[in-house]
Amino acid sequence: GEDVEQSLFLSVREGDSSVINCTYTDSSSTYLYWYKQEPGAGLQLLTYIFSNMDMKQDQRLTVLLNKKDKHLSLRIADTQTGDSAIYFCAEQGSGYSTLTFGKGTMLLVSP
Amino acid sequence: ETGVTQSPTHLIKTRGQQVTLRCSSQSGHNTVSWYQQALGQGPQFIFQYYREEENGRGNFPPRFSGLQFPNYSSELNVNALELDDSALYLCASSRGLQETQYFGPGTRLLVL
Repeated sequence: GEDVEQSLFLSVREGDSSVINCTYTDSSSTYLYWYKQEPGAGLQLLTYIFSNMDMKQDQRLTVLLNKKDKHLSLRIADTQTGDSAIYFCAEQGSGYSTLTFGKGTMLLVSP
Repeated sequence: ETGVTQSPTHLIKTRGQQVTLRCSSQSGHNTVSWYQQALGQGPQFIFQYYREEENGRGNFPPRFSGLQFPNYSSELNVNALELDDSALYLCASSRGLQETQYFGPGTRLLVL
């Protein structure tokens, strides 16, 4: 079945850039998403990219998609302590419109 | 704020009991999806409702069932609760199939 893999933990200093990586297996994915989850909360949509694009920029966020390698990354510029959270990569297949999530990457931003 | 609301926020039940969780979708959305998120894991798809019909189901047993109402709000029912059902249950709504899903704050269920 479909699978989404992420590294589990990333630690950066405030002001640095953060890059969170994700790989997926479903070659029929239509959209790929990044969600943010703060402790005890639901999922906040950060950004998404359509599978025929290779880059999308939205303020401090840059999403890169390498469809050949099935690799997705999220770059956060000028990372702030408020960016500390768990980040989930999710892919949406062309069949059902369900989302398949990775296990999440915990981002810790230190002052 | 996404406009998706869930109730209750927290719930404690004992093994064997039944539970009903509720979700109100964002205005203009006709599709609701339910996910289970166990501690330290990513959300797992339970099922999806589109215009009051089930439109897909993940790998969950039949004791997980749902409904969608004419106003597109939805319920998730779980019978014969097991300890492993303890999790955060997330509801997401979207404007239609293959549209972006917006999540509610979740219901945290603890089964003792």
